[in-house]
Amino acid sequence: GAVVSQHPSWVICKSGTSVKIECRSLDFQATTMFWYRQFPKQSLMLMATSNEGSKATYEQGVEKDKFLINHASLTLSTLTVTSAHPEDSSFYICSARVPWATAGGPHEQFFGPGTRLTVL
Amino acid sequence: DAKTTQPTSMDCAEGRAANLPCNHSTISGNEYVYWYRQIHSQGPQYIIHGLKNNETNEMASLIITEDRKSSTLILPHATLRDTAVYYCIVETGTASKLTFGTGTRLQVTL
Repeated sequence: GAVVSQHPSWVICKSGTSVKIECRSLDFQATTMFWYRQFPKQSLMLMATSNEGSKATYEQGVEKDKFLINHASLTLSTLTVTSAHPEDSSFYICSARVPWATAGGPHEQFFGPGTRLTVL
Repeated sequence: DAKTTQPTSMDCAEGRAANLPCNHSTISGNEYVYWYRQIHSQGPQYIIHGLKNNETNEMASLIITEDRKSSTLILPHATLRDTAVYYCIVETGTASKLTFGTGTRLQVTL
């Protein structure tokens, strides 16, 4: 159980176009999902927290108008990179927080396989 | 400031135990220790977590010192497929996010 998928696994696009990445929790409902970005040989950097039915919470320095997040259902969150440029080329990873986390107790996150975006 | 300190890299022979240390000297009473790993070009994989007691599951064991200021992740019989970056993360149960540090790059060799 606790499987998270992402689509597409890789995408190449031209500068100025928009790209949508989907994150799905396959066997559980996730009210909270997270979007990370990882540049080569660096650690994961949290971009935003996606909450079902409400606006996403963005980390400092992340442009909310450039990275649009929609969490319209309990099993799907999408990240749209608008007007992509070469510097947006990166490995984008989503995760979902398990719903059986208890208040004050530990919570695990399960991660998708990642989407590699290359902007030409 | 980083909540954890891990060695940058470690080597381990296949079949031997891999012991990955993590220092978290400022950990507070309600913070858990989580371990994740990331195999190259994949999303991170949850391994184990603990609060005070030592924990074991099918993947690994987590040993937490009595003062909780450090911990060790043990892979009892490392295989080549265990080659990955291992992240030690300290967060409260109510934390809204996990913050990844630089991790330890474990290389398992023949």
